[in-house]
Amino acid sequence: DIVMTQSPDSLAVSLGERATINCKSSQSVLYSSNNKNFLAWYQQKPGQRPKLLFYWASTRESGVPDRFSGSGSGTDFTLTISSLQAEDVAVYYCHQYYSSPFSFGPGTKVDIK
Amino acid sequence: EVQLVESGGGLVQPGGSLRVSCTASGFTFSNYWMTWVRQAPGKGLEWVANIKYDGTEKDYVDSMKGRFTISRDNAKNSLYLQMSSLRAEDTAVYYCARVAAIGADYSKYRWFDSWGQGTLVTVSS
Repeated sequence: DIVMTQSPDSLAVSLGERATINCKSSQSVLYSSNNKNFLAWYQQKPGQRPKLLFYWASTRESGVPDRFSGSGSGTDFTLTISSLQAEDVAVYYCHQYYSSPFSFGPGTKVDIK
Repeated sequence: EVQLVESGGGLVQPGGSLRVSCTASGFTFSNYWMTWVRQAPGKGLEWVANIKYDGTEKDYVDSMKGRFTISRDNAKNSLYLQMSSLRAEDTAVYYCARVAAIGADYSKYRWFDSWGQGTLVTVSS
């Protein structure tokens, strides 16, 4: 089974500053036949359902602001918010869909400093 | 617009059973893999199970195999999760979600692109 870890557990960033969240998988989620990373990112605001942000590690879902970016390959991935806005306060989860059982990271809580 | 609406949550005693449902609209339900994900209070997301578009293939996380059964009724655009031998640690919000497709390529190895609002299952005496 693939275990997902995230760091930090939480972070507080000033408005307009950069927030960086790391995600690591216990084994590679890069599928060699199509050279794609089977990794997604979700945002979950308080009291709401999760919302898809990225798939294939770096493909932004329609409607997601471009201050959000996803990067990484293999086992190490990063979600970056280039200029934090108040509406970005949420918990962010990475998710591997490379192999069953599919799994999520434990989440990273982002707050305003 | 894709809509997923869960129902059937509630309070159930330890050892009891419950079936939660998810009604889909706004897309051709019978084309898509579907999945259940749960979230215990104050905790993270945990994948539970998924089911192929025609119901012929099902996958479960090991800890729920034998206790939980995923099923679907494409004529009713509905997804189900039958839960039995429930324990306190099964207390969670249960979300249904659609597994994304790429054009006409429907695979279970995809992200979850639409989620319902969730239904709360509480296991307590």
